[in-house]
Amino acid sequence: EDKVVQSPLSLVVHEGDTVTLNCSYEVTNFRSLLWYKQEKKAPTFLFMLTSSGIEKKSGRLSSILDKKELFSILNITATQTGDSAVYLCAVTTNAGKSTFGDGTTLTVKP
Amino acid sequence: GAGVSQSPRYKVAKRGQDVALRCDPISGHVSLFWYQQALGQGPEFLTYFQNEAQLDKSGLPSDRFFAERPEGSVSTLKIQRTQQEDSAVYLCASGRSGAFGADTQYFGPGTRLTVL
Repeated sequence: EDKVVQSPLSLVVHEGDTVTLNCSYEVTNFRSLLWYKQEKKAPTFLFMLTSSGIEKKSGRLSSILDKKELFSILNITATQTGDSAVYLCAVTTNAGKSTFGDGTTLTVKP
Repeated sequence: GAGVSQSPRYKVAKRGQDVALRCDPISGHVSLFWYQQALGQGPEFLTYFQNEAQLDKSGLPSDRFFAERPEGSVSTLKIQRTQQEDSAVYLCASGRSGAFGADTQYFGPGTRLTVL
């Protein structure tokens, strides 16, 4: 059975801190790994990773995939209160199915 | 209005009632997914369409759940004889690619179903 595990479950930091969120997975026929940000609504797309070792970057957010060790990290630098959300990791297979982790709840305090 | 839309946004049903949840994907998107998200958990896959073909329905929790996409655009998720454990947010997502493998999925706002 496909499995995605995220850690930590929750995290509380202060504005300006840097955070690292982890996602490990076990799936058959891996295709891609996606990161989403979910506030009090539907998830919004952040990154899609398909190749090992290539960092994707968008502003203060960056992510990288390790297909040998089967994990990905999402980094957020200089955190802001607006970064407070649940961050979801999902792994998709060649058959088109996506498996999500339970998310990391990030709280950024002023 | 180019995003995925879902209706209704909120639905309260009495146990035993049938409900129908609608998803309008982004125009031209080939793939369509339904997920069930319980409070505090990540979305759980229910079913996947490529155009009108339902390629994977392995996540549907029971035969009370049925999904269709007859013309390859709008999709309906139907739940018969609802039970309290069906209470959740039902998310729909669409993707541009129809090829095997998944690309970015764009999510709708979800339908929050509460079964009393």
